[in-house]
Amino acid sequence: GENVEQHPSTLSVQEGDSAVIKCTYSDSASNYFPWYKQELGKRPQLIIDIRSNVGEKKDQRIAVTLNKTAKHFSLHITETQPEDSAVYFCAARNSGGSNYKLTFGKGTLLTVNP
Amino acid sequence: EAGVAQSPRYKIIEKRQSVAFWCNPISGHATLYWYQQILGQGPKLLIQFQNNGVVDDSQLPKDRFSAERLKGVDSTLKIQPAKLEDSAVYLCASSLVTQRGSYEQYFGPGTRLTVT
Repeated sequence: GENVEQHPSTLSVQEGDSAVIKCTYSDSASNYFPWYKQELGKRPQLIIDIRSNVGEKKDQRIAVTLNKTAKHFSLHITETQPEDSAVYFCAARNSGGSNYKLTFGKGTLLTVNP
Repeated sequence: EAGVAQSPRYKIIEKRQSVAFWCNPISGHATLYWYQQILGQGPKLLIQFQNNGVVDDSQLPKDRFSAERLKGVDSTLKIQPAKLEDSAVYLCASSLVTQRGSYEQYFGPGTRLTVT
């Protein structure tokens, strides 16, 4: 089955700096890669996603890049703000049949210091 | 649109007791998922339904966990008997099925289970 590794497990940055979180996946058939943000005690919320036919996607201060050959994808947050502090999860989903199973990484605790 | 609803939000039980969680997905979402999220880890899929049929339950501990979605809408997840290691947040999620496949999953607020 799919295995997703996420690094780093914790990340602390100063407000205004950039933050980068990296994930690798094992199943070359995976074709959908979402990123979720989970604030303490709250539900995971999708912040950005990318499909395997695209190499990069950007939404305001957030961008995701995908390298299918190397089987890794990254989340980039620019001009970080204190409200960006949360746990971020990457995930991967393969294209097999009607099984839309997401495999999640273990998460990165991002702390943005004012 | 209304989001995914779950109840209860919190539950404390003793080991060997039983517990049930309820989920109501977003209206029209055919696919429903139950995840277990242990503290400090990412969500782990327990079971996936497409309408009222099971698509994937490979990671469901079937000796103690069961789930159903009888009418293809609401779902219940049951644990009987509970163990200490079942302490976790149980998240329900749902998604649409489109011609291009099902993509974004919307999560409910979760049920935090503590087994003592």
